Amino acid sequence: GAVVSQHPSWVICKSGTSVKIECRSLDFQATTMFWYRQFPKQSLMLMATSNEGSKATYEQGVEKDKFLINHASLTLSTLTVTSAHPEDSSFYICAKPEAGRNEQFFGPGTRLTVL
Amino acid sequence: KQEVTQIPAALSVPEGENLVLNCSFTDSAIYNLQWFRQDPGKGLTSLLLIQSSQREQTSGRLNASLDKSSGRSTLYIAASQPGDSATYLCAALNAGGTSYGKLTFGQGTILTVHP
Repeated sequence: GAVVSQHPSWVICKSGTSVKIECRSLDFQATTMFWYRQFPKQSLMLMATSNEGSKATYEQGVEKDKFLINHASLTLSTLTVTSAHPEDSSFYICAKPEAGRNEQFFGPGTRLTVL
Repeated sequence: KQEVTQIPAALSVPEGENLVLNCSFTDSAIYNLQWFRQDPGKGLTSLLLIQSSQREQTSGRLNASLDKSSGRSTLYIAASQPGDSATYLCAALNAGGTSYGKLTFGQGTILTVHP
């Protein structure tokens, strides 16, 4: 069964509003979560790494003040898109790493549409 | 910096054909290579994961091979079915970022199998 869930699965919002996306580990604790973004007809790109109890690390070109990440518990990481604009419309997917096999388990994704 | 390329970008075949999807990567120092399936508007489904020490993995009608030295992997699909229609992504895991490594995705191959 699924080991990572995301909520909501899709969201439509007006430009300028903020949207929060939740990513939950359903089986074991996750001290690290990865957040990816996928624009239409493009591949997944790593945005940031969420670390429980400490600051997230962001990939080059990703604005940390715009994409706020909170990893307040061992099973929940959240991504908040602040002051969303139409160009932020994308598919956001989180993933939980499993060290034993060097593998990541992906959530079902959240489709964000900013009008 | 790892770069992953998939060829072809799109493929349309009649039902029953055997087909090969190609993936190449520039940095051969990978931990593993993984093939995913993505249906339109959906998340990722892991198909096969090949560790760096392995040459191939098989699951049902799927067979993935890995040639680290040449930086290539192929996904072979036998006796294709319309239900195989989806986007297929390959991803290479290298050291970097966190202790879990960094996953780099290709652009994907859009497969259409028509009856």
